[in-house]
Amino acid sequence: AQSVTQLDSQVPVFEEAPVELRCNYSSSVSVYLFWYVQYPNQGLQLLLKYLSGSTLVKGINGFEAEFNKSQTSFHLRKPSVHISDTAEYFCAVSGEIKAAGNKLTFGGGTRVLVKP
Amino acid sequence: DTEVTQTPKHLVMGMTNKKSLKCEQHMGHRAMYWYKQKAKKPPELMFVYSYEKLSINESVPSRFSPECPNSSLLNLHLHALQPEDSALYLCASSQTRWLLGTGANVLTFGAGSRLTVL
Repeated sequence: AQSVTQLDSQVPVFEEAPVELRCNYSSSVSVYLFWYVQYPNQGLQLLLKYLSGSTLVKGINGFEAEFNKSQTSFHLRKPSVHISDTAEYFCAVSGEIKAAGNKLTFGGGTRVLVKP
Repeated sequence: DTEVTQTPKHLVMGMTNKKSLKCEQHMGHRAMYWYKQKAKKPPELMFVYSYEKLSINESVPSRFSPECPNSSLLNLHLHALQPEDSALYLCASSQTRWLLGTGANVLTFGAGSRLTVL
């Protein structure tokens, strides 16, 4: 079984300040990790993904994340946020290939509120 | 075309109504998904279709009936719903690399259909 924990349910941050969203996972098999963003009243948009290779992953809109296998973490960072980054952010994990249905398991979400 | 299109965007229905949600993609993906998302919660998987066959049903009540008429379309038929079924219903699609063992599947989501059951 796999699970994802997002350690902060809400993160208030001032515009142009850095932000870090924490994500820890547990799985008995190799994993693939994702961050999705959901703007108000919209669907989910993929920010970035870790499938293999370099542990530092760069995504859209200036976001990046680092996969740390020993700490089972995949924290998301942005050095300078904009008002438009106000949204809900979901960390997700999918399991080893050929697992039944290759399900995507989501964390509880972190609401980022960027203040002017 | 890299989009998943869902219709309608908003739907209000009574508990005795029958309605359907529709989802369409033209990315050549052969896996399609329905997720349910309640307010301030993460999406929860309901159904997965691969190659137009139902491969996962997450113990969803029978008042939700999925259908995949072809590789581009996915429907969710709704009948005798309850007010607690009010939610955002998200459709997604992906390649089927889990079957080929050639890599992870990255889901592309639609904008969702917001359902209110009165």
